[in-house]
Amino acid sequence: DGGITQSPKYLFRKEGQNVTLSCEQNLNHDAMYWYRQDPGQGLRLIYYSQIVNDFQKGDIAEGYSVSREKKESFPLTVTSAQKNPTAFYLCASIGSRGKTGELFFGEGSRLTVL
Amino acid sequence: GQQLNQSPQSMFIQEGEDVSMNCTSSSIFNTWLWYKQDPGEGPVLLIALYKAGELTSNGRLTAQFGITRKDSFLNISASIPSDVGIYFCALIAGGTSYGKLTFGQGTILTVHP
Repeated sequence: DGGITQSPKYLFRKEGQNVTLSCEQNLNHDAMYWYRQDPGQGLRLIYYSQIVNDFQKGDIAEGYSVSREKKESFPLTVTSAQKNPTAFYLCASIGSRGKTGELFFGEGSRLTVL
Repeated sequence: GQQLNQSPQSMFIQEGEDVSMNCTSSSIFNTWLWYKQDPGEGPVLLIALYKAGELTSNGRLTAQFGITRKDSFLNISASIPSDVGIYFCALIAGGTSYGKLTFGQGTILTVHP
């Protein structure tokens, strides 16, 4: 079945460590996104990529980095520069032929910094 | 950035009751979206509204795009336990990327059997 796979589902990290969250999609979508979710807040955009080898900062990009070397993959690195990294991270993609605004989300990765 | 105000923040209802939630924005937009997030999963699009005044239904769900283009509401009729989750309104934040959305804070819905 087509979809978006995020891994790991749960991740614990010590302060000062970088961590990379994986996002893979087999929907043949060009555009991919990373959102962050905190309790009581809506989702906030971290980075997005509309095409391979290109990406743009979202509203809260500081302390994060991404790459888009393949159409199927859009990994997110949470660096030690991110001051409050504990959150639920959601990867999403959108097809050019789909409804406007219809994002397909993965199941998320919950990062906890100890 | 764009401000979206969603209310209520949470609702506790009995199975069978109707539910209503709404969102307002500080600016005019051309598209309103409603997503639902089940516990531990990613959100899923429920309804998309593209025209001021548009009223759209999806089963027991009904959503409307306000005439002023600054608000939208979502109604759920005859709630059932599987309606539990977080409901988000969202707008397209602009530019050419149709997945670049601004989300409301969410309404947490709890349904008691």
